[in-house]
Amino acid sequence: EVQLVESGGGSVQPGGSLRLSCAASGFTLSSYEMIWVRQAPGKGLEWLSYISSSGSGKYYADSVKGRFTISRDNAKNSLYLQMNSLRAEDTAFYYCARDNLGFDIWGQGTMVTVSS
Amino acid sequence: QPVLTQPTSLSASPGASARFTCTLRSGINVGTYRIYWYQQKPGSLPRYLLNYKSDSDNQQGSGVPSRFSGSKDASTNAGLLLISGLQSEDEADYYCAIWFSTTWVFGGGTRLTVL
Repeated sequence: EVQLVESGGGSVQPGGSLRLSCAASGFTLSSYEMIWVRQAPGKGLEWLSYISSSGSGKYYADSVKGRFTISRDNAKNSLYLQMNSLRAEDTAFYYCARDNLGFDIWGQGTMVTVSS
Repeated sequence: QPVLTQPTSLSASPGASARFTCTLRSGINVGTYRIYWYQQKPGSLPRYLLNYKSDSDNQQGSGVPSRFSGSKDASTNAGLLLISGLQSEDEADYYCAIWFSTTWVFGGGTRLTVL
């Protein structure tokens, strides 16, 4: 079965860090570009970051640039999002998704709560 | 002004058609962009529906019924999602997206009520 499974979410204080992981199965991660998207409760989708299939190309939304870092380990079929300097407004569900001329596979999401 | 603007809500009757708009900011020509559409039902993950660049360049998502289709309205600089034969199960939030200047941009989403 083709799927993505995120992990690493949780509760953290403002200024703290978390590292999200996204494990791919049922397909070869190295063949696809990948993204991270978040959705605050009751809000819309917000794209955060993109990474090319090789990992050489990376782009970020202004809201996370300089604080978040996307990476991948194709040998481990895994995608990551290192999140530093977290703020209350980063509280959301975080999703990884496969870019296949459309984000056709989404992980189930992992919740990140930033609160003191 | 946001890159993509979607109406907050839309209502339509079962069996009718629904027309969703995704208006690109002035100065961003809809003809240049491939518009992607996603459906998100309450408590569920987003689902990829389709993308539309032109009548000869568009793709349907896997398993997405043909009653979902894309189009563009150049006069209003908008991408369109059309759903015919509305069903109660189509009640959801619908998001458009484009790849713009090395970023992905989502519209704010339109909530469809089928009543």
